[in-house]
Amino acid sequence: AQSVTQPDIHITVSEGASLELRCNYSYGATPYLFWYVQSPGQGLQLLLKYFSGDTLVQGIKGFEAEFKRSQSSFNLRKPSVHWSDAAEYFCAVGDYKLSFGAGTTVTVRA
Amino acid sequence: DAGVTQSPTHLIKTRGQQVTLRCSPKSGHDTVSWYQQALGQGPQFIFQYYEEEERQRGNFPDRFSGHQFPNYSSELNVNALLLGDSALYLCASSSRRLGGETQYFGPGTRLLVL
Repeated sequence: AQSVTQPDIHITVSEGASLELRCNYSYGATPYLFWYVQSPGQGLQLLLKYFSGDTLVQGIKGFEAEFKRSQSSFNLRKPSVHWSDAAEYFCAVGDYKLSFGAGTTVTVRA
Repeated sequence: DAGVTQSPTHLIKTRGQQVTLRCSPKSGHDTVSWYQQALGQGPQFIFQYYEEEERQRGNFPDRFSGHQFPNYSSELNVNALLLGDSALYLCASSSRRLGGETQYFGPGTRLLVL
């Protein structure tokens, strides 16, 4: 069975500081991994995805993620956070059927 | 290029009623998936439609049904509504024909059951 764990429910970060969101997955084969962002009352926007190849993946809005098979992890990072990055972030695994984590809420303080 | 669109944006129903939600996929996409997102949780997969047939289904009762039309748009129907069906219902589209596993989401329909 496929599943995702996001250990951090809520993270607060100062504007300009770096951000790292953790994601651990369980999947039977080579995983398809995704990070989505959701602003309040909105749908999900795709930040980046990993299928194969280079384990460091670049996405939109300055985000990147690193796939580590040995740790079953796909952590999301951003070097310098902007106030507009405040949102909820979801990690997902799967192909045609996605399994999502419970999400991490990011608060950005001035 | 229009993205995934959903209607209505908000809906209020009472227990026992039936509801139909609609989704138009992104241009060029042929596959539609539906997800339920309860407050404070991640989305849960309901089912997926491709070539007008249900291809995969999550752990949802038969009260949840769907349909896909020849133009690839889709409907989600929920019968005998329960209070617990209150949630944001998200539609996502992708292209199976092109081997695409990437799903693009619409803005959702927020359903409140009273």
